[in-house]
Amino acid sequence: AQKVTQAQTEISVVEKEDVTLDCVYETRDTTYYLFWYKQPPSGELVFLIRRNSFDEQNEISGRYSWNFQKSTSSFNFTITASQVVDSAVYFCALSEFDSGGYQKVTFGTGTKLQVIP
Amino acid sequence: EAQVTQNPRYLITVTGKKLTVTCSQNMNHEYMSWYRQDPGLGLRQIYYSMNVEVTDKGDVPEGYKVSRKEKRNFPLILESPSPNQTSLYFCASRPSPSGGKDTEAFFGQGTRLTVV
Repeated sequence: AQKVTQAQTEISVVEKEDVTLDCVYETRDTTYYLFWYKQPPSGELVFLIRRNSFDEQNEISGRYSWNFQKSTSSFNFTITASQVVDSAVYFCALSEFDSGGYQKVTFGTGTKLQVIP
Repeated sequence: EAQVTQNPRYLITVTGKKLTVTCSQNMNHEYMSWYRQDPGLGLRQIYYSMNVEVTDKGDVPEGYKVSRKEKRNFPLILESPSPNQTSLYFCASRPSPSGGKDTEAFFGQGTRLTVV
């Protein structure tokens, strides 16, 4: 069964510090997708990134970067020079294909990030 | 604007009083699903639908019903709500159930339900 672990329940950092949110996953499939979503205090879920299992290239988007390592089954998310607007709950998710070829998505329990001004 | 719309955003109800949370998407997506979000548990899938008239149970379907009579709408029905169904509910859609490049889900704004 697929599983996503976000061991950090809550993290507090001071503004401008860098912070890394950990995500470890379990899957038996060789083809899968990993996602990060942001949930700001307003409650909506905002898609941040998708990565497929065949693409281990790290990605950078502005202050955000993602480190995908299949060897350790991790897909960590780093925010550089954090800002107060980064305060949110961040969810990691894993998508696998079942025997019928349909996707099943499993979410982690989320990491609440608080950036202190 | 491409979006998933849920209504209502907030709802307080009493135990046993049937309610429906509506979900509508304007992107012609085949796949729609409902999640509930609870502290410490993340998002758990309640039901999903791969297309019109095709629905199936997710991880936590007990106490819920859904229907998919048309592609754009996927209402969540609580026939007899109980306090343990107090939660934040999200509807989501994506283009196809079978993967491909457009695999991320578009989420509605959420419905905060309180059952007293």
